[in-house]
Amino acid sequence: GQQVMQIPQYQHVQEGEDFTTYCNSSTTLSNIQWYKQRPGGHPVFLIQLVKSGEVKKQKRLTFQFGEAKKNSSLHITATQTTDVGTYFCAGDNAGNMLTFGGGTRLMVKP
Amino acid sequence: DAGVIQSPRHEVTEMGQEVTLRCKPISGHNSLFWYRQTMMRGLELLIYFNNNVPIDDSGMPEDRFSAKMPNASFSTLKIQPSEPRDSAVYFCASSHGTGAEKLFFGSGTQLSVL
Repeated sequence: GQQVMQIPQYQHVQEGEDFTTYCNSSTTLSNIQWYKQRPGGHPVFLIQLVKSGEVKKQKRLTFQFGEAKKNSSLHITATQTTDVGTYFCAGDNAGNMLTFGGGTRLMVKP
Repeated sequence: DAGVIQSPRHEVTEMGQEVTLRCKPISGHNSLFWYRQTMMRGLELLIYFNNNVPIDDSGMPEDRFSAKMPNASFSTLKIQPSEPRDSAVYFCASSHGTGAEKLFFGSGTQLSVL
């Protein structure tokens, strides 16, 4: 079955440093979604990418979808303490189901 | 707009007891999902309903777990009998459309089985 892997599992950064999490799928995806879960909270949808090579920005967050539509990344510029949480990617391989990655837990030291 | 509503928020029970978790999806959404989250296994899809019909229950761990969706506005996840290894956060999520659409998650039920 489809597998979605995320690296790293954990990342500690100093406030102001950049952060990147990577998502890799074993199969070609029709789209990929990103979610953020704050500590003690529930996953919240951030964005969906559909096109090969697509890049989208939300303030300090930059999302990319690979040319082969098998990988994606989320980059945060100049992290803030409010960025703390776990970031999940979730891929759809046109089987009408999302498969979630294991998540990357981001910790930011003030 | 009310989001996905789950109850209870916290449940503490003893091994062997029956546990029932409840979910009210967002009105108009026709897909509903139950997920389990643990540190060890991350987010696991347990079951997916579309138009109240179970489409994929391959993630249900064993016969002790059952889920129902009697109508478009209500679903339950039941564990009977419960075991300590069932301790986790259980999330319900809903979406408009198929299982690959944007998911809206409830606040979850923190289950502790002693």
